[in-house]
Amino acid sequence: RKEVEQDPGPFNVPEGATVAFNCTYSNSASQSFFWYRQDCRKEPKLLMSVYSSGNEDGRFTAQLNRASQYISLLIRDSKLSDSATYLCVVAQRDDKIIFGKGTRLHILP
Amino acid sequence: GAGVSQTPSNKVTEKGKYVELRCDPISGHTALYWYRQSLGQGPEFLIYFQGTGAADDSGLPNDRFFAVRPEGSVSTLKIQRTERGDSAVYLCASSLGTSGIGEQFFGPGTRLTVL
Repeated sequence: RKEVEQDPGPFNVPEGATVAFNCTYSNSASQSFFWYRQDCRKEPKLLMSVYSSGNEDGRFTAQLNRASQYISLLIRDSKLSDSATYLCVVAQRDDKIIFGKGTRLHILP
Repeated sequence: GAGVSQTPSNKVTEKGKYVELRCDPISGHTALYWYRQSLGQGPEFLIYFQGTGAADDSGLPNDRFFAVRPEGSVSTLKIQRTERGDSAVYLCASSLGTSGIGEQFFGPGTRLTVL
């Protein structure tokens, strides 16, 4: 099993729809979880951290399920500008940070 | 304020040559990471510095790869005897590194092409 797995997509979603991605991780000792966004030929940028209790930032909601070892990202009322690759990041400690391969999202007008 | 900068932005070299890639992190960030990203893949961890020391270099693929951060700020990733398989975007990121994992700020990357 890969350390961090994501569905590569692409997810083709009409504007205004809700879309969700999951990411699974293999190491139960993982401590910190993040979603990063990467636009084509650009560097990754932090979208949001993922907290145990779940957290929301505007149209974005992140959840963590430690028992099943997955995190999720929900995007509501999707915008054209949400089109990007979403990278799941799992950290076991400061020096062991693992990125997933990313999920490509295309928002269709 | 200034973000993470990387030079050069593009580097084309021939198989067998030596290359150096430079990263200038955000001022005051003690943690610095190097990643390698191939097309269609996520960033692959190479090495992590906390201050001047390499806290974890387990991601370096082999002994052709080496990185330094002599004064705890600028870092250089060095690749000897480059191979075509080394072609990728090399990303550098920095973070405050004060406690736990914080937000990583990435540079624009260096696109390395080995002919």
